[in-house]
Parts: sequence; C-alpha cells; structure tokens
Amino acid sequence: AQTVTQSQPEMSVQEAETVTLSCTYDTSESNYYLFWYKQPPSRQMILVIRQEAYKQQNATENRFSVNFQKAAKSFSLKISDSQLGDTAMYFCAQLQTSGSRLTFGEGTQLTVNP
Amino acid sequence: ETGVTQSPTHLIKTRGQQVTLRCSSQSGHNTVSWYQQALGQGPQFIFQYYREEENGRGNFPPRFSGLQFPNYSSELNVNALELDDSALYLCASSYSGNTIYFGEGSWLTVV
Repeated sequence: AQTVTQSQPEMSVQEAETVTLSCTYDTSESNYYLFWYKQPPSRQMILVIRQEAYKQQNATENRFSVNFQKAAKSFSLKISDSQLGDTAMYFCAQLQTSGSRLTFGEGTQLTVNP
Repeated sequence: ETGVTQSPTHLIKTRGQQVTLRCSSQSGHNTVSWYQQALGQGPQFIFQYYREEENGRGNFPPRFSGLQFPNYSSELNVNALELDDSALYLCASSYSGNTIYFGEGSWLTVV
C-alpha cells in the first residue's frame, strides 16, 4: 500500500522569503508520479507541480521547485519569493500508474506573513 | 478553471437519509474518481470509474456507490448517512491518467 507523510502540520514564512515543505512516501511501484497540490480556503484543489518518478531532473514551475530524492523516497517543495497568495494548505500526493488513484498526505498549512 | 463542476456546493442531511452528489467533467475525460476529505485531513480515495465501470475502490463500505454516464458526468450516492460522513466530497477527472483535474467540492453536513 502507498503511504504519504507530511511531518509539518503548520509552517509560516515572511513575504518574499523562501520556504521548503517536506514530504516522504512509500511505494512498491517503480513507475509513479508525485504531486504537490495547493488548497486555499475556497477548497479548490489546485495542482502546483508534478514530478515523474523516472525523470531524474527536478521539476520547476516558476517560483515552485521540488527536490526529488527517489532512493530516499523524499519529495520536498520549495517556494521562492513567497507571496501572500501562497497562503494555503499544501498536500503532497502520489499517483499509482496502475489504477490512477491518488494517495494524499495529511497536509501542511502554510501562512505567508506580510 | 479545471472544467470540472460539482453540485450542490453545500447541503445538510439527516442521519439515515440518502444523498446524491453530482460531477460534470470535461469532454473526453473518461476517468472519474471521488474523494472524501474530512475537516483537517487529506482527501481519501473512495472509488474510480473508467468508461462507466467501477475501476478501483478504497476502504469505504458498499453504501457508498457511484455511476458514470456517457456524457462525462458522474454521481456519488451515499445511503444510510452517518454523522462521520460529514466531509468535503471532491470529484476528480482525467483523460491521460496523470493529469488530474479537481472540482470545487460538495460540502456535506450530516446532523
């Protein structure tokens, strides 16, 4: 069974600074995808970034980047130049390629302070 | 804008009643999944439909059931509602398997 663990229930950062959210996972599959989703108070689940397990290069989307360590089963999210609009719950998730079911972590509430 | 719409947005039901939640996906999205998100927790997979047939199920009892229709819409039905069923229910659809789009969810409160 797949598991995803986010060990930081809450984090805060000052506007314009950098913050890193941690995630570890466990899987027996060799091919899978990892995601970070953002869920603001509106509750809409918004895709932030995606990483394919067979790609060694870390994914980057503008201010968002990941540090993917496949052997350690670690997948952290770095947010650079934090903005007030980044305040939200962030979920790490893993996708089984066989079945297309997402397994989510418990989430990290990020607050960006002015 | 994900192209996935859910209805109703909020609803209140009494314990023991039945509820139907609806989801409309983008044209071509042949896979739809439903997730339950209790307050303060991550979403939990309920089940998935692919081309109108159930294609995987999480750890939820049979009183949670679903349907997927040819017009890319789907339903989640919950019978004999319990207080613990109070949660946000999220619909997610995809056409390629690894690009998944979520709706805004339906808030269910069971009293």
